[in-house]
Amino acid sequence: QAGLTQPPSVSKDLGQTARLACTGTSNNVGFQGAAWLQQHQGQPPTLLSFRDNNRPTGISEKFSASRSGNTASLTITGLQPEDEADYYCAAWDSSLHAWVFGGGTELTVL
Amino acid sequence: QVQLVQSGGGVVHPGGSMTLSCAAFRLTFTKHGMHWVRQPPGKGLEWVAAISNDEKTISYKDSVRGRFTISRDNGKNMLYLQMTSLRAEDTAVYYCTTYFGDLNFDYWGQGALVTVSS
Repeated sequence: QAGLTQPPSVSKDLGQTARLACTGTSNNVGFQGAAWLQQHQGQPPTLLSFRDNNRPTGISEKFSASRSGNTASLTITGLQPEDEADYYCAAWDSSLHAWVFGGGTELTVL
Repeated sequence: QVQLVQSGGGVVHPGGSMTLSCAAFRLTFTKHGMHWVRQPPGKGLEWVAAISNDEKTISYKDSVRGRFTISRDNGKNMLYLQMTSLRAEDTAVYYCTTYFGDLNFDYWGQGALVTVSS
């Protein structure tokens, strides 16, 4: 099952803004949008947003998601050391009848 | 505070079987669908299977269909993943996680490592 495409790594300076991309197709990201998850080393993931830009209770407004066509994006403002993590996108694929994940982006805060 | 507590995992030979369990606490279990998501060592997340709250809708990743069975016991607030004909490529940390409407992957278990090796 083909996955979503994410850049393997992104590096940004402390306090800057990072924008992470996730590219899919009209059958997944373009169909119902994407969810974004954050995972710190050795920990289960944490959901940051779902169905494009809906934040679960307790998730900071510094995380915002959007979508343009078949590409979803996660924007993280005011980068802090604790934002260093792996970030994954996920979407339901209507043709595969399966959830597909991106390969993940490792965010480094310099 | 919702808690998903997983049990099971360990080392199994290729071709062997194993069952993972996930107990839900302080969650209205009968209203939530459930997923299993896995993560091979050093790699990314992979969706494995999902079951709706009423057990009527079940989906599987292609590579596990016919070998893995997702099930639940709503009376016991339990989720299961029965895995048979295990292969080396099934080696991963397996997580249980919830869904409710469009809200997927909200709560997560602590993970259980399954190692398929001779």
